[in-house]
Amino acid sequence: GDSVTQTEGLVTLTEGLPVMLNCTYQTIYSNPFLFWYVQHLNESPRLLLKSFTDNKRTEHQGFHATLHKSSSSFHLQKSSAQLSDSALYYCALRNSNNRIFFGDGTQLVVKP
Amino acid sequence: EAAVTQSPRNKVAVTGGKVTLSCNQTNNHNNMYWYRQDTGHGLRLIHYSYGAGSTEKGDIPDGYKASRPSQENFSLILELATPSQTSVYFCASGDEGACAETLYFGSGTRLTVL
Repeated sequence: GDSVTQTEGLVTLTEGLPVMLNCTYQTIYSNPFLFWYVQHLNESPRLLLKSFTDNKRTEHQGFHATLHKSSSSFHLQKSSAQLSDSALYYCALRNSNNRIFFGDGTQLVVKP
Repeated sequence: EAAVTQSPRNKVAVTGGKVTLSCNQTNNHNNMYWYRQDTGHGLRLIHYSYGAGSTEKGDIPDGYKASRPSQENFSLILELATPSQTSVYFCASGDEGACAETLYFGSGTRLTVL
């Protein structure tokens, strides 16, 4: 079945260092939509960015991700972490049946 | 900006009791969803709806019912609450849009079943 895997449950890094949160997915659908949602403490999840185009970089609020269908990946990156980036990040997949599947989430903690 | 409102924000229930979580959206979105959020499990889909009068089972529907009486309202019902249903519940509405559906989440309901 369709699924999303986020291998890191917790990522801790120092402010100013680059961020990379891993996301891989599994689906038989050849044109999936991939999403990153972010949830700050005591808030609800909100969309950070999304993509359905193979090998095209998508950017928003300093973050970027590129959908690579060849490796079924959609990793989230940022060149320099900020304290305010500390949050829970979810990768999600939308398949041909319009069902949306979320990964288990990665907690990002940015320290001074 | 999309608006999804959940009530109550917090709820304490007793085992075996009935619990109703309410969700209202003013975005005129057709799709609505109920998720529960637990550490280590992320967001898991309980029930969803494609419009008034329709409800569909998600990935973990056991112990839950849903009701969509109107475009705006989508309720989650726990007929016989159990401690394992202690969780944070999020309602979302879906904007199908031009490219892909964006979900707009409510503020969540923290449910504790004693």
